[in-house]
Amino acid sequence: QVQLQESGPGLVKPSQTLSLTCTVSGGSISSGGYYWSWIRQHPGKGLEWIGYIYYSGSTYYNPSLKSRVTISVDTSKNQFSLKLSSVTAADTAVYYCARSVVTATDNWFDPWGQGTLVTVSS
Amino acid sequence: SYELTQPLSVSVALGQTARITCGGNNIGSKNVHWYQQKPGQAPVLVIYRDSNRPSGIPERFSGSNSGNTATLTISRAQAGDEADYYCQVWDSSTEVFGGGTKLTVL
Repeated sequence: QVQLQESGPGLVKPSQTLSLTCTVSGGSISSGGYYWSWIRQHPGKGLEWIGYIYYSGSTYYNPSLKSRVTISVDTSKNQFSLKLSSVTAADTAVYYCARSVVTATDNWFDPWGQGTLVTVSS
Repeated sequence: SYELTQPLSVSVALGQTARITCGGNNIGSKNVHWYQQKPGQAPVLVIYRDSNRPSGIPERFSGSNSGNTATLTISRAQAGDEADYYCQVWDSSTEVFGGGTKLTVL
């Protein structure tokens, strides 16, 4: 079955850019039919959708983060990536990648990666 | 922006039925999805499109959605069901999560 795994630095300095990669195994991003998503969870808090990308490169972002977020895809490596610019301590969170089925009316996230904690601190 | 409201906590006796609600304006017109998150683990989808169970999710988990409230029902609650539960909908091109409910099995 499809598995996702996040990777990237666990510590980022304020004002810098957070960069994470999600590697997909057990299935091809290029096969279509799915959005590839980033979701984060602040310590002890709830879930916040960041955005997702289709294999063609079409992206959809949370309006609250849109000005700072870039999600890209590398189908040759079966990976997709997140860049979040101008980070502050408020961006400290566990970052998850996940897959969601493409439908006309709604999307649900399944499966999820294990998550990676990113701390923003000098 | 659309908001989903969940109770902070719900308690249920072992073997009894737990009901976790997710409130939103006319949420009955939307498809609601539910996730279970155990401590230190990633969320797991337990219900999609109001009442559908993914493969591998026990029949004890069920869902309903009408009016302004969606409900996740866990029958015959087990100790292993202790977790945080989140509802989620799609609204105005944005994915929205509820604040989460901590389920305690007594």
